[in-house]
Amino acid sequence: GENVEQHPSTLSVQEGDSAVIKCTYSDSASNYFPWYKQELGKRPQLIIDIRSNVGEKKDQRIAVTLNKTAKHFSLHITETQPEDSAVYFCAASPGWAAGNKLTFGGGTRVLVKP
Amino acid sequence: NAGVTQTPKFQVLKTGQSMTLQCAQDMNHNSMYWYRQDPGMGLRLIYYSASEGTTDKGEVPNGYNVSRLNKREFSLRLESAAPSQTSVYFCASRELAGAYNEQFFGPGTRLTVL
Repeated sequence: GENVEQHPSTLSVQEGDSAVIKCTYSDSASNYFPWYKQELGKRPQLIIDIRSNVGEKKDQRIAVTLNKTAKHFSLHITETQPEDSAVYFCAASPGWAAGNKLTFGGGTRVLVKP
Repeated sequence: NAGVTQTPKFQVLKTGQSMTLQCAQDMNHNSMYWYRQDPGMGLRLIYYSASEGTTDKGEVPNGYNVSRLNKREFSLRLESAAPSQTSVYFCASRELAGAYNEQFFGPGTRLTVL
């Protein structure tokens, strides 16, 4: 089955700096890569996703890049703000043939210091 | 639309007691999932139902059973609770058709087993 590794496990940045989280996946059939943000005590919520036929996607201060050849994808947050403090999860999905499951990385706890 | 709902929000059990966690979604999604999240940890898949009438084991199924009651509802049962099952349980749903569909999470059930 799919295996997703996520690094780093914790990340502390100064407000205004950039944050980068990296994930690698193992199943070359994976074609959908979402990123979820989980605030303390809340449910995970989708913040951005990318499909396998796209190399980069941007939404305001967040962007995701995908390298299918190397099987890795990254989340970039620019001009970080205190409200960006949360746990971020990457995930990969091989689609309906694998039960339509998402396989999640272990998570990155991001702390933005004012 | 309520999205994904879960009951109860909180529960305290004694070792050996049984209980059922309820989950319902009103988005007409085919696929539903149960995850557990231990403190400071990632999301681990317990069981999933790719479509109505099917259920499959995830990463950590031992000690749990599930029922896909209909397209809307997917319940998780603990037959004989153990302290190791103390966790936050999230239900999620996702459309099956197409490969690039967002997975939506419920608000979670916080379970403590004494």
